[in-house]
Amino acid sequence: AQKITQTQPGMFVQEKEAVTLDCTYDTSDPSYGLFWYKQPSSGEMIFLIYQGSYDQQNATEGRYSLNFQKARKSANLVISASQLGDSAMYFCAMRVGGTSYGKLTFGQGTILTVHP
Amino acid sequence: GAGVSQSPRYKVAKRGQDVALRCDPISGHVSLFWYQQALGQGPEFLTYFQNEAQLDKSGLPSDRFFAERPEGSVSTLKIQRTQQEDSAVYLCASSPGAGAFYEQYFGPGTRLTVT
Repeated sequence: AQKITQTQPGMFVQEKEAVTLDCTYDTSDPSYGLFWYKQPSSGEMIFLIYQGSYDQQNATEGRYSLNFQKARKSANLVISASQLGDSAMYFCAMRVGGTSYGKLTFGQGTILTVHP
Repeated sequence: GAGVSQSPRYKVAKRGQDVALRCDPISGHVSLFWYQQALGQGPEFLTYFQNEAQLDKSGLPSDRFFAERPEGSVSTLKIQRTQQEDSAVYLCASSPGAGAFYEQYFGPGTRLTVT
């Protein structure tokens, strides 16, 4: 079975500073993908960044980067230069192949609050 | 282009009523997933369709939950005899391929409140 753990229920950051949201995962499948989603109060799930288990380099997308440490089974999200609009719930998720058909397993989420 | 749409966006049901939640995936998307998100929690997988075939329904919490996708496009999640514990946001996601590493595109969700 797959499991995602997000140990930070809430995080606070000052505008323009960087913040790291933690995520650890557990799977016995060697082939998997790791995702981060943002969910604002309006409810839609917005895809931010993806890291494949065989990717050699850490993924980056604009202000988002994923600190992938395979041996530690961690996939932390780093948001640089935080903006007020980054305040939202953030979910780490994992997908494996095979008969799971790619269904996503989500963590519990971290609420990020950006202060002006 | 149009994204995934869900209707209704909000549904209030009295305990014991049946409800039907609709998902319109992105046109041509092969895969369709339903997830249930309780308040303050991460989404949890309910069921998966590949075209019209329901290949995985392992996440459906009880036999009161039923999903269909008869023509391989629009999907309906039906909940019979709703209970208070069914109150949640129901998210639909579609994906262009059948493999595990295609991105999933989420709809806005239907918030179900059972009173």
